[in-house]
Amino acid sequence: KAGVTQTPRYLIKTRGQQVTLSCSPISGHRSVSWYQQTPGQGLQFLFEYFSETQRNKGNFPGRFSGRQFSNSRSEMNVSTLELGDSALYLCASSLTGGTGELFFGEGSRLTVL
Amino acid sequence: AQKITQTQPGMFVQEKEAVTLDCTYDTSDPSYGLFWYKQPSSGEMIFLIYQGSYDQQNATEGRYSLNFQKARKSANLVISASQLGDSAMYFCAMREGVNTNAGKSTFGDGTTLTVKP
Repeated sequence: KAGVTQTPRYLIKTRGQQVTLSCSPISGHRSVSWYQQTPGQGLQFLFEYFSETQRNKGNFPGRFSGRQFSNSRSEMNVSTLELGDSALYLCASSLTGGTGELFFGEGSRLTVL
Repeated sequence: AQKITQTQPGMFVQEKEAVTLDCTYDTSDPSYGLFWYKQPSSGEMIFLIYQGSYDQQNATEGRYSLNFQKARKSANLVISASQLGDSAMYFCAMREGVNTNAGKSTFGDGTTLTVKP
């Protein structure tokens, strides 16, 4: 069974640009959540999507947005990039019901210059 | 608001010995789940073990066990017979409420474990 797949794995952008990251969850998982990981702030929850609807949202500015498609694949977008957006962006999927453990992808490492 | 505290930024353990990684949590919700994840240097987070707030017994998964002390709000991870491959960052995490909140977990700052040969 394939795991969570994130693309691209690495990317470099400059301030003011925008970026789109993609996440394909484990087959059968309908919940997809996104986390930002930085050395200073640790792991912070961005948002969660379930059945194409945003179910939970963290405390991030509106420049951070996401969506989920009917096949459960999800994308997140960051507009008007700032230096502080440099981070590892982790996507996780989970099953509905059960204990709710998260299955993470390898992450997309974004560097903003 | 939910909060997870991991007070050990770094830990060292000798190969084949046991090690305990500390985690305390704070929540006002009577229903919650506690998780431990491992993050090797490659970056991918790996789920290790789960403890539900209503579980009467401590969770165990192979060499991993969770020492759950509800009154003290602690959920320490015990790794027995440490192996070199256990060297990684370990995160304690919590989600509140029923499973519909599963995707929204709060993570601690992590503990870097180094296993010495």
